[in-house]
Amino acid sequence: NAGVMQNPRHLVRRRGQEARLRCSPMKGHSHVYWYRQLPEEGLKFMVYLQKENIIDESGMPKERFSAEFPKEGPSILRIQQVVRGDSAAYFCASSPPNSMDTGELFFGEGSRLTVL
Amino acid sequence: SQQGEEDPQALSIQEGENATMNCSYKTSINNLQWYRQNSGRGLVHLILIRSNEREKHSGRLRVTLDTSKKSSSLLITASRAADTASYFCATTREAAGNKLTFGGGTRVLVKP
Repeated sequence: NAGVMQNPRHLVRRRGQEARLRCSPMKGHSHVYWYRQLPEEGLKFMVYLQKENIIDESGMPKERFSAEFPKEGPSILRIQQVVRGDSAAYFCASSPPNSMDTGELFFGEGSRLTVL
Repeated sequence: SQQGEEDPQALSIQEGENATMNCSYKTSINNLQWYRQNSGRGLVHLILIRSNEREKHSGRLRVTLDTSKKSSSLLITASRAADTASYFCATTREAAGNKLTFGGGTRVLVKP
């Protein structure tokens, strides 16, 4: 049973370009979370999605960032017009439909974005 | 601000020793979880303790929860070099839609 798959693992972009990060949750999982981690820091919540629905986007910056989880295909975190401050590791996590009580999340290996 | 704050920020011990780290949080919680992160990797779930529980064990791990002090501790007994990692506590609370809120982590180095 494959775990949470994220790609690309590493992405380099120049300022002003777009970054697209993809996440395929574990089989049978319908909840997806995106977190951002700066070096030597903890994970900061960005957004929580279910299929075709954004449930909680309280951690998303107001501009340039968007996320989706379509009916078919992976979840996408999109960062437009990247700036150096967007350089970070972006982690996706998933959970099964009945795990709201436990809250245990299964994490991918992350996508490391470097903005030159 | 962080819901969970770990203490110490960094810990260096010899193999075979015990490692203890603490986590404090600010508001009432549904449960508290501990995760491990090896350098450059994703997070791995270690143990979950519910708000009505006081202590849990899993192998060499022992977690305590004191809701009156809003704090938790993670004890790793008989540490091994492979335990070298960052350890994060994370809380869920109904008011936050049950999403996980992480602390800043404790970086543990176990020297062989």
